[in-house]
Amino acid sequence: RKEVEQDPGPFNVPEGATVAFNCTYSNSASQSFFWYRQDCRKEPKLLMSVYSSGNEDGRFTAQLNRASQYISLLIRDSKLSDSATYLCVVNVGGTGANNLFFGTGTRLTVIP
Amino acid sequence: DTGVSQNPRHKITKRGQNVTFRCDPISEHNRLYWYRQTLGQGPEFLTYFQNEAQLEKSRLLSDRFSAERPKGSFSTLEIQRTEQGDSAMYLCASRGFTGELFFGEGSRLTVL
Repeated sequence: RKEVEQDPGPFNVPEGATVAFNCTYSNSASQSFFWYRQDCRKEPKLLMSVYSSGNEDGRFTAQLNRASQYISLLIRDSKLSDSATYLCVVNVGGTGANNLFFGTGTRLTVIP
Repeated sequence: DTGVSQNPRHKITKRGQNVTFRCDPISEHNRLYWYRQTLGQGPEFLTYFQNEAQLEKSRLLSDRFSAERPKGSFSTLEIQRTEQGDSAMYLCASRGFTGELFFGEGSRLTVL
């Protein structure tokens, strides 16, 4: 089983819509979680960290559900500029070895 | 610019040639990662350094791949006897105390 799984999409939504992505993780001891945004042929850039209590940054809301082992990203009032691939990253903890695992990304296209 | 720097940004080479990529991380970050990414996939972990110590190598990293971080600052990734399947974006990232990864712009390799 993969450490991190995401629905690859694509999600095609009209401008102004609300869209949500989920990302499931397999290691219940996972410690921290992140959402990255990646534009076509560019590097991933940190969008937001995901806190246990959930957190919001403008139109973006990230939530963590430890019981069901998933994180979510909600985008409200979608803009054309939100079109990108959204990657979730999970830190499974531990030291001395790689502890970061990426999902394959969810592709979002916002349509005029 | 105090972000992660990678060069060259693009490399086109013939099959069988050797290539080397360089990464200069954010100066205060002691952890450095190399990833490979192909179209439509998330970044695949290749190797990880803490200071100058290479703590983990992915099984994906064949013996044609070698990475170094001799003084715990910049790192190099060398691919010997390149194959067409090595064509990809090679991403370097550094990681600070807050746990987030910061990526360079990547080095895109095309093997003809």
